Amino acid sequence: SAVISQKPSRDICQRGTSLTIQCQVDSQVTMMFWYRQQPGQSLTLIATANQGSEATYESGFVIDKFPISRPNLTFSTLTVSNMSPEDSSIYLCSVAMFGGQETQYFGPGTRLLVL
Amino acid sequence: DAKTTQPNSMESNEEEPVHLPCNHSTISGTDYIHWYRQLPSQGPEYVIHGLTSNVNNRMASLAIAEDRKSSTLILHRATLRDAAVYYCILYSSASKIIFGSGTRLSIRP
Repeated sequence: SAVISQKPSRDICQRGTSLTIQCQVDSQVTMMFWYRQQPGQSLTLIATANQGSEATYESGFVIDKFPISRPNLTFSTLTVSNMSPEDSSIYLCSVAMFGGQETQYFGPGTRLLVL
Repeated sequence: DAKTTQPNSMESNEEEPVHLPCNHSTISGTDYIHWYRQLPSQGPEYVIHGLTSNVNNRMASLAIAEDRKSSTLILHRATLRDAAVYYCILYSSASKIIFGSGTRLSIRP
């Protein structure tokens, strides 16, 4: 299994600013993912964070708005850029140890409110 | 990605079994069926998964139809702590999980 921590756990931000969310795993993992969960909704996959290369974004999400870094096998960051109130959501990091069809582990999430 | 269909919500009594259904008529032969649940104010957690045969673990059982077009998650004795949103997911070899809308399970004391 994997233990995932996210920082910050919550934040309140002003529109037009940017916030970087950190995801730290207690062991090396193959796959890391970022999700968004809007209020009262299910989770939506934003992107797959690839170590040493650009992230793979899902339809509707772009690098300019959600730049992602993954410098090593235990750490990733997601930046929410030029925020608007519509970006108010919970942002979650998840990992898979080896990839394929195995179990994924999720972080506790970062609760973001944009005013 | 193949799609799953679940009821929006279900209610059950404490200490009784709960059967959560999931339809996945477009499942492919290599798709695994995974179940996750999301407790209030937490990230999703893995519950169980299977391919063709029924599966049991300490949390739940998974019953898979012979044609694999549907499955049922069984909680044998629901407790108040089982109140959560339960997601049925078809997991392909692409390694990424696509969530549907899930079933919100409420437990009556």
